[in-house]
Amino acid sequence: GAVVSQHPSRVICKSGTSVKIECRSLDFQATTMFWYRQFPKKSLMLMATSNEGSKATYEQGVEKDKFLINHASLTLSTLTVTSAHPEDSSFYICSARHPGSGNTIYFGEGSWLTVV
Amino acid sequence: GIQVEQSPPDLILQEGANSTLRCNFSDSVNNLQWFHQNPWGQLINLFYIPSGTKQNGRLSATTVATERYSLLYISSSQTTDSGVYFCAGEGGSTLGRLYFGRGTQLTVWP
Repeated sequence: GAVVSQHPSRVICKSGTSVKIECRSLDFQATTMFWYRQFPKKSLMLMATSNEGSKATYEQGVEKDKFLINHASLTLSTLTVTSAHPEDSSFYICSARHPGSGNTIYFGEGSWLTVV
Repeated sequence: GIQVEQSPPDLILQEGANSTLRCNFSDSVNNLQWFHQNPWGQLINLFYIPSGTKQNGRLSATTVATERYSLLYISSSQTTDSGVYFCAGEGGSTLGRLYFGRGTQLTVWP
């Protein structure tokens, strides 16, 4: 079964609104989670590292005010796309390292965001 | 950061054929995984293989850590094997941070 769960799997929002995506570790605690973005037919690009109880670490070129990350508990990280624009439309996916599973890294199901 | 080269970028096979996908890393990685991304975007873990050889059904993988490369073998391919295959390595100072290759787009025709 799923080890990391992401919700929603698909979301359509209007330009200028905000949308929140959740990432949960289901049977383990994750002090660190990762958010990636994937453009069509491209590889996964790390956006930020989500740290439980502290600020996220953003990759160069990622706007921290636009992509708000909150990691309020050991099993939940959220990504909020603020003031969404059509160019924010993309596939967003989170991951976490499972310490009890040989340190295998698992991904959520991913979220397709369409901004209209 | 660590550079990951995957080859070939595209592969078209007829059902029943075998194939080998390759992944080269620019630096040592702590953890190497192979994923299959299905048409819905889901990344399915295929192998966690920092070194050595593993097999799971028709798929097997080999990592030669000292030479910084890994191979994914697909035997007797089926149409359901179609999709994008990614290799990724965990490196740097942040545990869990993966560096991805560009992927191999595999299409298997009946």
